[in-house]
Amino acid sequence: DVKVTQSSRYLVKRTGEKVFLECVQDMDHENMFWYRQDPGLGLRLIYFSYDVKMKEKGDIPEGYSVSREKKERFSLILESASTNQTSMYLCASEPSGHGYGYTFGSGTRLTVV
Amino acid sequence: QKEVEQNSGPLSVPEGAIASLNCTYSDRVSQSFFWYRQYSGKSPELIMSIYSNGDKEDGRFTAQLNKASQYVSLLIRDSQPSDSATYLCAAFVGQNFVFGPGTRLSVLP
Repeated sequence: DVKVTQSSRYLVKRTGEKVFLECVQDMDHENMFWYRQDPGLGLRLIYFSYDVKMKEKGDIPEGYSVSREKKERFSLILESASTNQTSMYLCASEPSGHGYGYTFGSGTRLTVV
Repeated sequence: QKEVEQNSGPLSVPEGAIASLNCTYSDRVSQSFFWYRQYSGKSPELIMSIYSNGDKEDGRFTAQLNKASQYVSLLIRDSQPSDSATYLCAAFVGQNFVFGPGTRLSVLP
């Protein structure tokens, strides 16, 4: 069974902290994505990657960065957490070609206080 | 116009009825569409994909694509309370998929 694993289900961090959200997939997928999901705003793309060491900005990259040193791992970094980054963060992956749909991780609910 | 639009609902149907969920899209959208189901507090899970005009059936689910009218639908036959969830439509735009805001479905026992 294919899997996308996010390291934490719930996180509480303080304003100004540097926060790392980890995502690992075991499906040998080329494409990986980070979304945030907020009530009334839906799913918004933060960053994506089509290959190791490759990254592209999505629709809302401000305040975030990413790292993809290995094919299976895609990390989202909040450089200096702020309260408006309180959200559900979802990692997803898919094979190259865009014809297969995403497999999502279980999500990380981040609260910044 | 947003690229992918859905009625947010809630859509309420009695158990055993057909639930019809609709999604409209803009000219920028390529012809790849996916439906995801998301239970409250959970992540989205892929239900179906559709690329060609017409209907595609999978069990109790039927996806319908009408390119001329720019809409895609998901029909759920014999709706069950366990089908109560938010249904997200996704369409390929540019480099990636864009998700609609989702329609909340409530199946009443």
